[in-house]
This record gives sequence, C-alpha cells and structure tokens, in this order.
Amino acid sequence: KQEVTQIPAALSVPEGENLVLNCSFTDSAIYNLQWFRQDPGKGLTSLLLIQSSQREQTSGRLNASLDKSSGRSTLYIAASQPGDSATYLCAVRRGGSARQLTFGSGTQLTVLP
Amino acid sequence: ETGVTQSPTHLIKTRGQQVTLRCSSQSGHNTVSWYQQALGQGPQFIFQYYREEENGRGNFPPRFSGLQFPNYSSELNVNALELDDSALYLCASSLASGNFPNEQFFGPGTRLTVL
Repeated sequence: KQEVTQIPAALSVPEGENLVLNCSFTDSAIYNLQWFRQDPGKGLTSLLLIQSSQREQTSGRLNASLDKSSGRSTLYIAASQPGDSATYLCAVRRGGSARQLTFGSGTQLTVLP
Repeated sequence: ETGVTQSPTHLIKTRGQQVTLRCSSQSGHNTVSWYQQALGQGPQFIFQYYREEENGRGNFPPRFSGLQFPNYSSELNVNALELDDSALYLCASSLASGNFPNEQFFGPGTRLTVL
C-alpha cells in the first residue's frame, strides 16, 4: 500500500526566504507525482506535475524535483511571499492499474511579512 | 474554458439522512474522481468514473455511490449519513489517456457537516 509522508507538517518563514518542502513515498513504482496548493477551506490548485520519467519541473518561482529510486520529491519555493501562505500537498499516482492519487497530509506554510 | 465546479458549497445534514453532491467537469475532460478530505488530512480517494462507468474505488463502503452523465458531470451520493462523514468532498476531472487519468484539476469542494 502506497504511503505518502510530508515533513514538516508546518513551517513558518520570513518573507523573501527560499524554502524546500519534502515529500516521500513508500512505493517507487509511480506513474506521476503532483504538487498542489490548498487555501483554507478551499479546493486544490495544481502547481506542478512530474511524470515518472522526469527529474524536475519548473513554474515561475516553483521548482519540483523527483527521485523515484529513493521515493522522494521536493518543492522549492524561491523568494517566498506572504501570498504563498497555504497548505502544500503532494500526491502520487501508482503505476499499473491504479486510478487514484494518494496524498500526503500536507505542509502548512506561513510566510511572515 | 470553465473549470471544475461543485454544488452546493456547504451542506448540513443529520445522521441517517441521504445527500447528493454535484460536480461539473472541466470542458473536454472525460474522467471524474471524488475524494473525501477530513480536517487536517490529505484527500482520500472514493472512486473514479470514466465514460459513465466506475473504474476504480477506494476503501469506502457501498453507501457511497456515484454517477457520471453523458456530459461528464457527476454526482456523489451518500446514504445513511454518519458523523464521520463530515468532511470536505472534492471532485477532480481530467482527460484520460485510455482510461488512465492524467493531470487532475480539482473543484472548490462541498463542505458537508453531519449533526
């Protein structure tokens, strides 16, 4: 059974700092990995999708990396801003016949002005 | 292009009642998945529909059921509501290759409270 862990559960940083969020998964046979952002009480916004054959994806100030063999992904946020405050979730889709995304519990990020 | 929409936004029910939640997929998407998110947790997969048929199910009892319509909109039905069913219910749509979904796009969710 695939398990996804995100550490730390919560993180508070001053504005302008670069930061890294971590995601680990137990089954390396994944099809893809997706990072999401969730604002309080809201739905999920897709940030980045990394296919299993890729090593990283970039969008603006965000960079996500994937190391399938070690079961790890990181989300790097450059020059953080108060508007980046949210919960960040990673989710993996297992290969084979799996249909669903398996989510971690998220990292709650607070960027202080 | 219209994104994923869900209705209602909030809902309050009592234990034992039945509820129907609705989802409209993003234009051009043929697959819809439903997730349950308890407070402070990541979403848990309930089931997925592709071309109007359920083709994947998570660890949820049969009182959780669904439908997908020809226009790819979807319903989630929950019978005999329990207090633990209180959660944010998220719908996600995607364009599947074969019947394997690619990048999923989520709606804003329906907050269900069971008293």
